[in-house]
Amino acid sequence: NAGVMQNPRHLVRRRGQEARLRCSPMKGHSHVYWYRQLPEEGLKFMVYLQKENIIDESGMPKERFSAEFPKEGPSILRIQQVVRGDSAAYFCASSPPFSGANVLTFGAGSRLTVL
Amino acid sequence: GEDVEQSLFLSVREGDSSVINCTYTDSSSTYLYWYKQEPGAGLQLLTYIFSNMDMKQDQRLTVLLNKKDKHLSLRIADTQTGDSAIYFCAEIPSGGYQKVTFGIGTKLQVIP
Repeated sequence: NAGVMQNPRHLVRRRGQEARLRCSPMKGHSHVYWYRQLPEEGLKFMVYLQKENIIDESGMPKERFSAEFPKEGPSILRIQQVVRGDSAAYFCASSPPFSGANVLTFGAGSRLTVL
Repeated sequence: GEDVEQSLFLSVREGDSSVINCTYTDSSSTYLYWYKQEPGAGLQLLTYIFSNMDMKQDQRLTVLLNKKDKHLSLRIADTQTGDSAIYFCAEIPSGGYQKVTFGIGTKLQVIP
């Protein structure tokens, strides 16, 4: 079991370009979470998805950000028209269907740098 | 509401005990967690405690939960240089589904 796989690990974009970050959850996990970690800040919740459904996107900026978790394939976090303030580490985590303690397994993160 | 607070930094000498503290606001939280993040890596679960417990021990780690004060602590005995990392406290607040909320993280520096 390869764990939670995120790619790319590092991504550099110029202002105005699009960034696509991918997350493949652990085998058997149907819940995916995206978090953003800014330098010297904590982990901020962005969105929680199950297969083909967005359950909670209360942490997502209203514009330019979107997320999906299709029936087949990885979860995608998409940032359109990136700005310098989007530079951060984006972490994906997954968990199995609810079974009490919701233990999240994290990927290694995707580090976005906007020039 | 959802708010988890931690101090930002802790420095201890190798071999001493470390105590990392956390306060949370949602008294109906069911589980509380400690995660560890090493430089350049994702978070790894260290331990968690169910809200009906006061204490949980796992080798060098001791978790204490004071529900009355909404205070959670993580004690690391015989702290080693490999324990240097950022430690995150997290909770599942009330809300009907499993959204995990994290604190800002405490950076532990272990001095040889």
